[in-house]
Amino acid sequence: GQQVMQIPQYQHVQEGEDFTTYCNSSTTLSNIQWYKQRPGGHPVFLIQLVKSGEVKKQKRLTFQFGEAKKNSSLHITATQTTDVGTYFCAAHAGNNRKLIWGLGTSLAVNP
Amino acid sequence: DAGVIQSPRHEVTEMGQEVTLRCKPISGHNSLFWYRQTMMRGLELLIYFNNNVPIDDSGMPEDRFSAKMPNASFSTLKIQPSEPRDSAVYFCASSWARRYEQYFGPGTRLTVT
Repeated sequence: GQQVMQIPQYQHVQEGEDFTTYCNSSTTLSNIQWYKQRPGGHPVFLIQLVKSGEVKKQKRLTFQFGEAKKNSSLHITATQTTDVGTYFCAAHAGNNRKLIWGLGTSLAVNP
Repeated sequence: DAGVIQSPRHEVTEMGQEVTLRCKPISGHNSLFWYRQTMMRGLELLIYFNNNVPIDDSGMPEDRFSAKMPNASFSTLKIQPSEPRDSAVYFCASSWARRYEQYFGPGTRLTVT
């Protein structure tokens, strides 16, 4: 079945450093979503990308969707301790509402 | 809006007991999802409903698990009998017909001893 691979699994950074997580699929994705889960919390929707090559920004976060719609990335500039958490990518499988989830990238930020 | 509401927030039970988890989706959302999250397996979709009808239950582990959605504002996930390997955080999420993002509840942390 369709799978979404996410790397790295863990990342430790010093506060102020940049961070990037990548999401890859062997099949073309109709769209991709990104969620953030704080420790002890629940996943919270960040953004959805639909168009080939799409780039969206939310303050220090930059989201990209690959030209072939098979990969995506989330880049955080100048990380802060509030960025700590696990970042998940998720993509729709076919025409239904079922999401295929990556395993997430856990980000730790040292102050 | 109160968001997705789940109860209980924590449940500790003994192996063999029946467990019922409850979810109230966001008003107006017509899709509801039940997930299970563990360190080993990550976030797994168990079942999802569209307009109160189960659409995909391929993620339900086995016959011990069942889910119902009797109306648009309430769903239950039942485990009978429970086993220690069912220990996990169970999330309910809902989404709206015209948009695809999912809104998660705070989760139920289930511990089966």
